[in-house]
Amino acid sequence: AQKVTQAQTEISVVEKEDVTLDCVYETRDTTYYLFWYKQPPSGELVFLIRRNSFDEQNEISGRYSWNFQKSTSSFNFTITASQVVDSAVYFCALLGSGSARQLTFGSGTQLTVLP
Amino acid sequence: DVKVTQSSRYLVKRTGEKVFLECVQDMDHENMFWYRQDPGLGLRLIYFSYDVKMKEKGDIPEGYSVSREKKERFSLILESASTNQTSMYLCASRDGQRYQPQHFGDGTRLSIL
Repeated sequence: AQKVTQAQTEISVVEKEDVTLDCVYETRDTTYYLFWYKQPPSGELVFLIRRNSFDEQNEISGRYSWNFQKSTSSFNFTITASQVVDSAVYFCALLGSGSARQLTFGSGTQLTVLP
Repeated sequence: DVKVTQSSRYLVKRTGEKVFLECVQDMDHENMFWYRQDPGLGLRLIYFSYDVKMKEKGDIPEGYSVSREKKERFSLILESASTNQTSMYLCASRDGQRYQPQHFGDGTRLSIL
């Protein structure tokens, strides 16, 4: 069975602070994909990034960066210089290659950025 | 841009009613999904479909059925609504490659009274 844990239920920061959202996963598959989605108050989940298990290179996209570490089964997401518009629920998700062939989502982290 | 449209943002129904949630996508995607989202539980897969008239159960199919008569439309049916089906329902679509990201609709917040 595969599992995704987002231990931080809610995080609140003040604008311009950096914030890291944690994601820890469990899978027995050697090939798998990890995703991050953002769900703003409007409700629609917006795809942010996909990583495959063979690519441990960290990625930066503007104020967003992702740290993938297979040794600790983690795929953490950092927002630098947070803005009020970053306020949303963020989901980490895992796609395995074995018997569980559909996305498994974490429970999500509610990020609130205060002005 | 992919557009996934869910027919209602908010819906209120009564216990025992038959409820239809509709989802339409405009990108000719083969795969479509229905999830429910509950606080502390994230998204859980109810049913998915990889082709017209094809469907497979997800993690929590009990009390639900689905219909896919046309490629662009995927319907979720609550045969006899119950209060424990009060939730946010999200539809998604994806092209044929399994590792491609799913595209989501805005969600339907369903209340069963």
